[in-house]
Amino acid sequence: NAGVTQTPKFRVLKTGQSMTLLCAQDMNHEYMYWYRQDPGMGLRLIHYSVGEGTTAKGEVPDGYNVSRLKKQNFLLGLESAAPSQTSVYFCASSAPGGYEQFFGPGTRLTVL
Amino acid sequence: AQKVTQAQTEISVVEKEDVTLDCVYETRDTTYYLFWYKQPPSGELVFLIRRNSFDEQNEISGRYSWNFQKSTSSFNFTITASQVVDSAVYFCALRRDTGKLIFGQGTTLQVKP
Repeated sequence: NAGVTQTPKFRVLKTGQSMTLLCAQDMNHEYMYWYRQDPGMGLRLIHYSVGEGTTAKGEVPDGYNVSRLKKQNFLLGLESAAPSQTSVYFCASSAPGGYEQFFGPGTRLTVL
Repeated sequence: AQKVTQAQTEISVVEKEDVTLDCVYETRDTTYYLFWYKQPPSGELVFLIRRNSFDEQNEISGRYSWNFQKSTSSFNFTITASQVVDSAVYFCALRRDTGKLIFGQGTTLQVKP
């Protein structure tokens, strides 16, 4: 069991470039989430999905898009990267109900 | 409003000292879940404990213990006889419907030898 994996681990972009972060989980979880972590601010929810084909906005969705075409994958896209999107991005998954979320190892993104 | 506050930004202790990390939450939900996660220097997030709003029993796991008090909306975390390996950032989080987690700002714990 790999749990939750994220690709890539590190990335440097120039302002205006686009990219997609991939999250994959092998625990058959219904729910998946994308967070960003910035110094002194904890983790903030960007977008989430409660099932294949569904997505919803979290706390800080602007500048990001997501897709959940397959149950095991959750993609986070940046169409036109900005320096304010420099952050560490975490993907997580969970079962429905009050169960814990399992987190991926994170992606460190720098936008110059 | 849903909110989690970890008032202690940084704590520094000497090994073998006991340390308590505070967590205060706000919610109007009657059913909710509280969590603690650990983020060691390597960066991953490690689940430590989950507590639902109907279970106010305190829990002990080895050197770790948690004190949940609905009357004061607090879910504090105590490490007994701290060790250098406990050095990490600790996050308290509140889970709402659809599983969304609201995190506190985190408390950085430094345990010195």
